[in-house]
Amino acid sequence: DAGVTQSPTHLIKTRGQHVTLRCSPISGHKSVSWYQQVLGQGPQFIFQYYEKEERGRGNFPDRFSARQFPNYSSELNVNALLLGDSALYLCASSLLGLTGGNTEAFFGQGTRLTVV
Amino acid sequence: GQNIDQPTEMTATEGAIVQINCTYQTSGFNGLFWYQQHAGEAPTFLSYNVLDGLEEKGRFSSFLSRSKGYSYLLLKELQMKDSASYLCAVRDVYGLTGGGNKLTFGTGTQLKVEL
Repeated sequence: DAGVTQSPTHLIKTRGQHVTLRCSPISGHKSVSWYQQVLGQGPQFIFQYYEKEERGRGNFPDRFSARQFPNYSSELNVNALLLGDSALYLCASSLLGLTGGNTEAFFGQGTRLTVV
Repeated sequence: GQNIDQPTEMTATEGAIVQINCTYQTSGFNGLFWYQQHAGEAPTFLSYNVLDGLEEKGRFSSFLSRSKGYSYLLLKELQMKDSASYLCAVRDVYGLTGGGNKLTFGTGTQLKVEL
């Protein structure tokens, strides 16, 4: 079975532009979460979607948005890019997503975004 | 609030045992995970603890004490390929609405295994 797949793998954008990152979860997984990982730091939670509904949002500005499609794939959108948005963006899928769910999160390889 | 602390760097010798500690403060605790991350790669799952005690999985073991907000990852028979960053992550619901949960990560412990 394919793992979590993300596209693109690398991306270079200019300040002020918009970017869309894509994620396909493991087949059968209904929860998708997005994380931002700056070099030398641990991943920071951005969003969780479960059954196509937003279940949680981290401490990120409204320039960040996401959605989950009927096939459980997900997009992360970032508007008005800043230099500080340069990071590795990780998508994680899990079988369950609600409190009490007892499954691990599987991470994709990530999208390396560079804002210049 | 939330706070997860782990050492920034550790060095150990091939074949030895190393223990990586993690302390945490969080609300709505719902499990503690350890992930391994090689440079430029995605984090990969190592272990999960939700109840107090030791979980053993091959060369890797993880311990949890919820009352102390403390966990450790024990790596035995170290190999060169174990050189990586080890991330401690707590699953919780702090600050969330909608019934979901999230992983809050520490900054990671960079382990270097030497000959």
